[in-house]
Amino acid sequence: DTGVSQNPRHKITKRGQNVTFRCDPISEHNRLYWYRQTLGQGPEFLTYFQNEAQLEKSRLLSDRFSAERPKGSFSTLEIQRTEQGDSAMYLCASTQGNTGELFFGEGSRLTVL
Amino acid sequence: QKEVEQNSGPLSVPEGAIASLNCTYSDRGSQSFFWYRQYSGKSPELIMFIYSNGDKEDGRFTAQLNKASQYVSLLIRDSQPSDSATYLCAVGSTDSWGKLQFGAGTQVVVTP
Repeated sequence: DTGVSQNPRHKITKRGQNVTFRCDPISEHNRLYWYRQTLGQGPEFLTYFQNEAQLEKSRLLSDRFSAERPKGSFSTLEIQRTEQGDSAMYLCASTQGNTGELFFGEGSRLTVL
Repeated sequence: QKEVEQNSGPLSVPEGAIASLNCTYSDRGSQSFFWYRQYSGKSPELIMFIYSNGDKEDGRFTAQLNKASQYVSLLIRDSQPSDSATYLCAVGSTDSWGKLQFGAGTQVVVTP
């Protein structure tokens, strides 16, 4: 039984570079969520998909962030022109249906120098 | 502004004692409430959910919900050193329960 898989686990980049994270959810789950967590804070909602449709994107998310789930399976989160304030843990979670019982991946930690 | 508030701690609990964690939320229309446990350097893990007023027990954990007071709590009985973690209270959005608003978490330290 495989859980939610995220890669890369760690990414160090220079300011202004683009980065992409991948999330492979639990196979039978139709909903996929992206959250961001900084030190000492709880996760913050970014966006979510039902199958391949992106249903909501947080107003806190700038246009530099884009997410896709092209075939309703894996998802990617791209950050363009990274800034130091983007440094955080990016968490992916999946579930089946409309529930808050989420299964989180181990996260992708981004450090922007 | 929708908010979920928790005491940050740390909450120090002797081994075998009861740990009591509290959470308040601001959106009176909220219907789903969750407790996640997060070990240092790890991702959150769901331990309890509650949707109706009252108590819900699962093993050593009891979640309590009072919608009139907009208050959720978590009790951990017979606390073990392995319970040392940060406990995150989360409230589901009324339009999508998976769109969670998290509190900042309460750090629990169980001392042998």
